[in-house]
Amino acid sequence: QSVLTQPPAVSGAPGQRVTISCTGSSPNIGAGHDVHWYQQLPGTAPKLLIYGNTKRPSGVPDRFSGSKSGTSASLAITGLQAEDEADYYCQSYDSSLSAWVFGGGTKLTVL
Amino acid sequence: EVQVLESGGGLVQPGGSLRLSCEASGFTFSSYAMSWVRQAPGKGLEWVSAISDSGSSTYYADSVKGRFTISRDNSKNTLDLQMNSLRAEDTAVYYCTKRIKPTSGAFDIWGQGTMVTVSS
Repeated sequence: QSVLTQPPAVSGAPGQRVTISCTGSSPNIGAGHDVHWYQQLPGTAPKLLIYGNTKRPSGVPDRFSGSKSGTSASLAITGLQAEDEADYYCQSYDSSLSAWVFGGGTKLTVL
Repeated sequence: EVQVLESGGGLVQPGGSLRLSCEASGFTFSSYAMSWVRQAPGKGLEWVSAISDSGSSTYYADSVKGRFTISRDNSKNTLDLQMNSLRAEDTAVYYCTKRIKPTSGAFDIWGQGTMVTVSS
C-alpha cells in the first residue's frame, strides 16, 4: 500500500489528452511538500519529468505538465504519442514518516 | 556528461551482506545530496536511503533502518550502500540518484541500476 495513491492504469488514443492523479494526505502533499513526476520506459531507469509541482527539466516537452491542489497532484499529457507509453510515478516527502515516498505507479497505454 | 554508475549487485543468501557502489561524474559531487532508490521485480519505486552533500547527515527508510548504511567519499566522487542482514524482500534493482538541487527532493540523475538478488 503506497502512501501516495495513483490509478493503476490509464489509456488514450494518439493526439488525445490524459491525466494521471496522485492522491496524498496531510503529512505529505497536504503539508505543502512538492510533488515530482517520473517516466519509466520499459526496461530503463526512471526519468524526471516534472519537479516542484509544475517545473519541467531541460529537454522535457511542454506536452507534459503538472499541477497540485490541496492533498492531490496531477500529471497531464497532451498530444499523446506512442512513445509516451510507459509507467509514471509521483513522488513527495512525508513528514510523519521522515521519508521520500512514491506513488504505486500508473501504466499509460497508447491505444 | 552528468552520470552515475552503480556496481556491486549480485546474488547473496538471506542473512548475508553486500556493498553497492556508485561512481559519479560530470558534476560537482560534493555539492549534492544523494539517494538510493530500489525497485523490486515488477513493482514500483521505493526510496531506501539518503545522505547530505557533506555526508554528515544520513536518512533511511524504516524497511532498511539498522541493516543498511549509506556513505560517501567526496574526494573520490563515490557513494556506497552497505547492506547487511539481507532478506528476500530486499531483492530489487538499486538505483543511485542525485537531487536536482539542494532544496528539492526531486531526483534528476539516475544510474542504470544494479540488481540485488537475495535467495538461497
